[in-house]
Amino acid sequence: AQSVTQLDSQVPVFEEAPVELRCNYSSSVSVYLFWYVQYPNQGLQLLLKYLSGSTLVESINGFEAEFNKSQTSFHLRKPSVHISDTAEYFCAVTTPSGTYKYIFGTGTRLKVLA
Amino acid sequence: GAGVSQSPSNKVTEKGKDVELRCDPISGHTALYWYRQSLGQGLEFLIYFQGNSAPDKSGLPSDRFSAERTGGSVSTLTIQRTQQEDSAVYLCASSLKREDTQYFGPGTRLTVL
Repeated sequence: AQSVTQLDSQVPVFEEAPVELRCNYSSSVSVYLFWYVQYPNQGLQLLLKYLSGSTLVESINGFEAEFNKSQTSFHLRKPSVHISDTAEYFCAVTTPSGTYKYIFGTGTRLKVLA
Repeated sequence: GAGVSQSPSNKVTEKGKDVELRCDPISGHTALYWYRQSLGQGLEFLIYFQGNSAPDKSGLPSDRFSAERTGGSVSTLTIQRTQQEDSAVYLCASSLKREDTQYFGPGTRLTVL
């Protein structure tokens, strides 16, 4: 069975500072990995995903995540955050075959301070 | 085009009553998911539909929960004999294929008094 751990429930950071939101997963088989974002009073939307190929994936708004198989991690990073990045971020995992479940982490609330 | 829609947006019910939550996925999306989002709990997978295949019901928390998808489109999640612990936001998502981007609806906030 797969599991996802987001150790940080809240991350406060000043505007224009770098940020890393941590995600670790557990799986005995190959995985697909996702980051979803939920802005205040909005629905969940995909930020980026890793299916195969390059282990570094990027979003259109400057976030990136790197799939690290040896450390079973998929941390989300941004070199310089904006106030508008304030949101809750969810890491999720599923597998290419077998169970069709998506397992989501408990979320990390990113609060960007002026 | 239209996104995923859910109705009602809010539902307040009394303990012991049955409720039905509706999800209209994006047209053409064969995969449909139901999740439950409780405060501080993240998203909990409930059930997955893929085309005409048998659904993956492994996430349903009890036999009071059931779901169906008619004609490969609209889905209804039914909770019988609601309990206070069923209070949560119920989210529906659809995608073209399982590994594709999931598009989430706005959710139904269920409050059981």
